[in-house]
Amino acid sequence: GQNIDQPTEMTATEGAIVQINCTYQTSGFNGLFWYQQHAGEAPTFLSYNVLDGLEEKGRFSSFLSRSKGYSYLLLKELQMKDSASYLCAVWPAGGSYIPTFGRGTSLIVHP
Amino acid sequence: DTEVTQTPKHLVMGMTNKKSLKCEQHMGHRAMYWYKQKAKKPPELMFVYSYEKLSINESVPSRFSPECPNSSLLNLHLHALQPEDSALYLCASSQEGLAGAGELFFGEGSRLTVL
Repeated sequence: GQNIDQPTEMTATEGAIVQINCTYQTSGFNGLFWYQQHAGEAPTFLSYNVLDGLEEKGRFSSFLSRSKGYSYLLLKELQMKDSASYLCAVWPAGGSYIPTFGRGTSLIVHP
Repeated sequence: DTEVTQTPKHLVMGMTNKKSLKCEQHMGHRAMYWYKQKAKKPPELMFVYSYEKLSINESVPSRFSPECPNSSLLNLHLHALQPEDSALYLCASSQEGLAGAGELFFGEGSRLTVL
């Protein structure tokens, strides 16, 4: 089966740095995605990791360790608009490539 | 065009009504998905079409009926729904069919309320 674990909620201060962790146990691995979702809106793509290491994209970075089944999303210079739910999604390998979503981490950014 | 378009954005229906949700993409993507999302929960997969064929049905009740008229369109027909079916229904597409992983492009969703 597939199991993805993320913290339910995190809070941080505007201008700070926050790290959102995601651990996974899946039937093989074919890539990990991070999505941002504001309340009542569709998820939007943030990052994609398939090899170990850090992928940087502006204020957002994502890290992957396949041997540990672990990823994190790092958000720098937090802004109020970063308050949203952050979804970790893993694509298993073999058979049907259907992504499994974690429950999402609700990030609240305070002034 | 990198959009997935869903209509209607909001829908209110009674338990005896028949309605449809529509989804359209013109990115040439080969896989299209329907997800259901309740408040503060992750998206739950309902159906996947790959190359216009229904590939995955995640044990969804028959009151939800998907249809893929062509490679760009995906419909979800609704009949005799229950109040607990009220949710945000998300359509998504990905470039590959079920032969490869790829980024999901989501539509803005259809907010459904069943009275």
